[in-house]
Amino acid sequence: DIQMTQSPSSLSASVGDRVTITCRASQNISNYLNWYQQKPGKAPKLLIYAGSTLQSGVPSRFSGSGSGTDFPLTINSLQPEDFTTYYCQQSYRAPWTFGQGTKVEIK
Amino acid sequence: QVQLVESGGGLVKPGGSLRLSCAASGFTFSDYYMTWIRQAPGKGLEWVSYISSSGSNIYYADSVKGRFTISRDNAKNSLYLQMNSLRAEDTAVYYCARENPAAAGMIDYWGQGTLVTVSS
Repeated sequence: DIQMTQSPSSLSASVGDRVTITCRASQNISNYLNWYQQKPGKAPKLLIYAGSTLQSGVPSRFSGSGSGTDFPLTINSLQPEDFTTYYCQQSYRAPWTFGQGTKVEIK
Repeated sequence: QVQLVESGGGLVKPGGSLRLSCAASGFTFSDYYMTWIRQAPGKGLEWVSYISSSGSNIYYADSVKGRFTISRDNAKNSLYLQMNSLRAEDTAVYYCARENPAAAGMIDYWGQGTLVTVSS
């Protein structure tokens, strides 16, 4: 199975900050990388797919990039509603696997 | 709009069985691969199983292979997960989810989840 590792596991930031979360795959997954946001008690929500394509309705302050094994997710100008948990997921080869999650907390 | 509504969760003893259902609406169910994903309390996401649009292609995570069975009824717009020989480690919120046909494995809609608790 392809292992996905996110870093950091958590981070503290302030409203207006720019933050970057990184996802690393255990092997080359081309751009088959998706990002989800999950708020407490809710289902995950798709933010970005195919490494860098913003899902419809997602604010443009979210951006993804990368190809191969390393994929950064950047949130520009953090808003209060962005303080929550983010997961990456590879869709290159089944079984689809997720990173362990990154919790973005308010400093 | 797309809606996925899970049901069937609850408390079950180790070794017991449970059948989860997911009612889909707002899209042509028979055109989409469907997936079950679970999340243990306070933990991350774990993909469990997927089934192709026709039901002919099925895949399971190793952790549930041989114990869980995914199925679908396209006439009823419904997805199912039969869970047998349940273990404490199967305790989780189970999400029904839709895979976008433009990108296999990309989950574009999720249900609200149903909690399965395996405990004596």
